[in-house]
Amino acid sequence: SQQGEEDPQALSIQEGENATMNCSYKTSINNLQWYRQNSGRGLVHLILIRSNEREKHSGRLRVTLDTSKKSSSLLITASRAADTASYFCATAAIYNFNKFYFGSGTKLNVKP
Amino acid sequence: DTGVSQDPRHKITKRGQNVTFRCDPISEHNRLYWYRQTLGQGPEFLTYFQNEAQLEKSRLLSDRFSAERPKGSFSTLEIQRTEQGDSAMYLCASSLDEGTEETQYFGPGTRLLVL
Repeated sequence: SQQGEEDPQALSIQEGENATMNCSYKTSINNLQWYRQNSGRGLVHLILIRSNEREKHSGRLRVTLDTSKKSSSLLITASRAADTASYFCATAAIYNFNKFYFGSGTKLNVKP
Repeated sequence: DTGVSQDPRHKITKRGQNVTFRCDPISEHNRLYWYRQTLGQGPEFLTYFQNEAQLEKSRLLSDRFSAERPKGSFSTLEIQRTEQGDSAMYLCASSLDEGTEETQYFGPGTRLLVL
C-alpha cells in the first residue's frame, strides 16, 4: 500500500505556538498534498508540493518534502484556535497521479 | 455557492435497505471521485469518473455498490442491501484535468448510519 501515515496522531498546543506534523509514505510519488478537515466536514486543500521540490510556503504554512526518506512535514506557525482540525497528507503516485492515498491524519487542538 | 455539493448530508437507514447519494461537482470539472471515510481514518478511494466514463474502481467497492455519472455532470452512489459495516462518511471530490498536478476539491460529505 502507498498509504501515507501521519505522526503524531494527536497534537495539543497553545495558541501562538508552532505545530509540526509529519507524513511518511511508501512508494514513488508525483506530488504530495496536505488537506485540512474540520470535525464532520469535508476536506479543504491546503498546499501541493511536487516531487522535485523540497520546500514550499503558503501564508503560515510551510511544507517540506524529502523523497529520499519518503517523508513530508507540515509546519503551521503562530497557530490560532481556528486551526483546530485534522490534517491529512495525500500522495499521488507517479503511475496513477489522480488516485490519492490519504494517511490517517493528525488531530490538532489549538487551545486559546 | 460554486463548490462541490452532496445530498443528503445525513442518512439513517436500516440494514438491508438501499440508499442513494448524490454529488454535484464544480461545474467545469471533468473528473469526479468518491471516497469513504470511517471514524479516525483518512478517506479511502472508491471510484472515479472522467466525464461520464467510470475509469477505476477500488476493491473496496463490492458488487453492492454502484456509481454512475450519466451525463458527465452530477454523480450518484448507490448502496444496495446495506450492512452495518457500510456506516461511514461518503465524500465526493471533483477536479479539472490539469496533468499531473491536479487538486481535488471535496464536498461536505454524506454521513451514513446503518442500524
